[in-house]
Amino acid sequence: GDSVTQTEGQVALSEEDFLTIHCNYSASGYPTLFWYVQYPGEGPQLLFRASRDKEKGSSRGFEATYDKGTTSFHLRKASVQESDSAVYYCALSEGNNRIFFGDGTQLVVKP
Amino acid sequence: DPKIIQKPKYLVAVTGSEKILICEQYLGHNAMYWYRQSAKKPLEFMFSYSYQKLMDNQTASSRFQPQSSKKNHLDLQITALKPDDSATYFCASSQEGTAYAEQFFGPGTRLTVL
Repeated sequence: GDSVTQTEGQVALSEEDFLTIHCNYSASGYPTLFWYVQYPGEGPQLLFRASRDKEKGSSRGFEATYDKGTTSFHLRKASVQESDSAVYYCALSEGNNRIFFGDGTQLVVKP
Repeated sequence: DPKIIQKPKYLVAVTGSEKILICEQYLGHNAMYWYRQSAKKPLEFMFSYSYQKLMDNQTASSRFQPQSSKKNHLDLQITALKPDDSATYFCASSQEGTAYAEQFFGPGTRLTVL
């Protein structure tokens, strides 16, 4: 079945550090890939999405590139800020409107 | 103004009781969903509705029953509550029920079953 694996459960960085959160997926077909962000007490909100190989999604300085060859969609940001502290979810949807979420990565950015 | 309203924000119930979680969206969307987030599992899809019709059901238990009385409403009735049902339940909606459509999530209802 479809699934998403996020390697890092928690990432702790200082402001202006480079961020990478790894995401690999497993799907039978050609899924749409998403990154969602969730702040405390709120529901997840879409950061960006990509639907075809080599497509780059980006928003607020975050970016990820759809890589069908390595089945990956790693999240990167060149310089994180304290306000980026949140939980980040990699997710996929395939052929229907059901979204499969990864386990999430807690990002903590220290000033 | 909040575009997706979930009521109540917090809910405490006793084992064996029945509760209804309310969800209303004011985005003019045609598809609505329920997800569950517990301490043991990540965000987990439960149901999807499109134009008030059930599209997908990934909840094994019949104790969970969505109810769509209006186009912009999708309530969740849970019967015979168990402690394992304790979780935050998120309602979401999208313009259409397609894989590419952006789903907007409500603030959630945190349910605790004692």
